[in-house]
Amino acid sequence: AQSVTQLGSHVSVSEGALVLLRCNYSSSVPPYLFWYVQYPNQGLQLLLKYTTGATLVKGINGFEAEFKKSETSFHLTKPSAHMSDAAEYFCAVAQDSWGKLQFGAGTQVVVTP
Amino acid sequence: DGGITQSPKYLFRKEGQNVTLSCEQNLNHDAMYWYRQDPGQGLRLIYYSQIVNDFQKGDIAEGYSVSREKKESFPLTVTSAQKNPTAFYLCASSKGQYNSPLHFGNGTRLTVT
Repeated sequence: AQSVTQLGSHVSVSEGALVLLRCNYSSSVPPYLFWYVQYPNQGLQLLLKYTTGATLVKGINGFEAEFKKSETSFHLTKPSAHMSDAAEYFCAVAQDSWGKLQFGAGTQVVVTP
Repeated sequence: DGGITQSPKYLFRKEGQNVTLSCEQNLNHDAMYWYRQDPGQGLRLIYYSQIVNDFQKGDIAEGYSVSREKKESFPLTVTSAQKNPTAFYLCASSKGQYNSPLHFGNGTRLTVT
């Protein structure tokens, strides 16, 4: 079965600093990986996805993630944090051919001035 | 604009009552899903449906029921058998393929007292 582990349930970054959120996956097949963002009392919004091809994936709002098969990782980064990046972030892996996803526990990001 | 509509946004019920959460999508997606979200636990899959008139249990189906009579609609009933129903419930849909991202509604926050 496919699964993901997000390291760190809370991350605090200064405005303008690098944002780095860690995700490691376990998959018996080539993985399809996703990052989602959730603002308070809202649903989840897709940031980016990795299916096949280029290992560096660019998403919305200046975020990007790099797929590293040797490290079974799919870490999310943003070079310069903005106050609007304060939210909860979820990593997910596809579980089956019908698109069912397994989510990590989430990482809450706080941005300080 | 296409999207997923969940209603109501907030719902309050007395213990022992069944309650039904609505989910409608106009994205023409085949697959629909219900997730439960609790603080620190990420998203857990309750039920999912790949086609009309068919659905499968997810990881935490006990105390819940669903129906899929129309492609656009996937209502979730939280029954009195659910021991801890207070939570944030998220409905999602997708094209139902391995690399398809999920599209989420804005959720229903259910409080049972």
